[in-house]
Amino acid sequence: EAGVAQSPRYKIIEKRQSVAFWCNPISGHATLYWYQQILGQGPKLLIQFQNNGVVDDSQLPKDRFSAERLKGVDSTLKIQPAKLEDSAVYLCASSFAPGTDYYNEQFFGPGTRLTVL
Amino acid sequence: TQLLEQSPQFLSIQEGENLTVYCNSSSVFSSLQWYRQEPGEGPVLLVTVVTGGEVKKLKRLTFQFGDARKDSSLHITAAQPGDTGLYLCAGSDQTGANNLFFGTGTRLTVIP
Repeated sequence: EAGVAQSPRYKIIEKRQSVAFWCNPISGHATLYWYQQILGQGPKLLIQFQNNGVVDDSQLPKDRFSAERLKGVDSTLKIQPAKLEDSAVYLCASSFAPGTDYYNEQFFGPGTRLTVL
Repeated sequence: TQLLEQSPQFLSIQEGENLTVYCNSSSVFSSLQWYRQEPGEGPVLLVTVVTGGEVKKLKRLTFQFGDARKDSSLHITAAQPGDTGLYLCAGSDQTGANNLFFGTGTRLTVIP
């Protein structure tokens, strides 16, 4: 079974530039998550989708971050404009669906390491 | 936001030694998961514990969920270099969006 795919794996940009990350979840997984993991810390949830609807985006800095999952499968996360403190690994995860998957087991992609100079 | 504190933050031990990692919170969780993350990779699920006081074993790893479902521990027996990685606990509150709240992480290095 193919895992969660993410691209690019690495990205280096200058502050105030824009960047976009792409995620393809495991086939059949209705729920998709974007996390931010700053070096030395645990992942922090940015946004959760169920199918193509947003379930929780309370931790997403909406002045500069946006995310979409138009067809309920792939998702993109965008940062515009980037700040130095956005340097982190951006992880995408998917799960079958909360409610049907009682333990909410999530499967993670390898992440995109973003460096903002 | 539920906070999960892990201790120790860093741990460096010799191969063959035993160790315990702790995950503590003031919040009650309906389930708690442990993940291991290696450099350049996403976290990989090791185990899920659901019942207060539950103990699960995975080869040399023993996981326990506290009776009050606020804390958990991970014990590794006879650590091996392959156990090296970042260990993360994550709690689920089973409300609203059913999100996972990740701990601060414990970085383990096992020296051959």
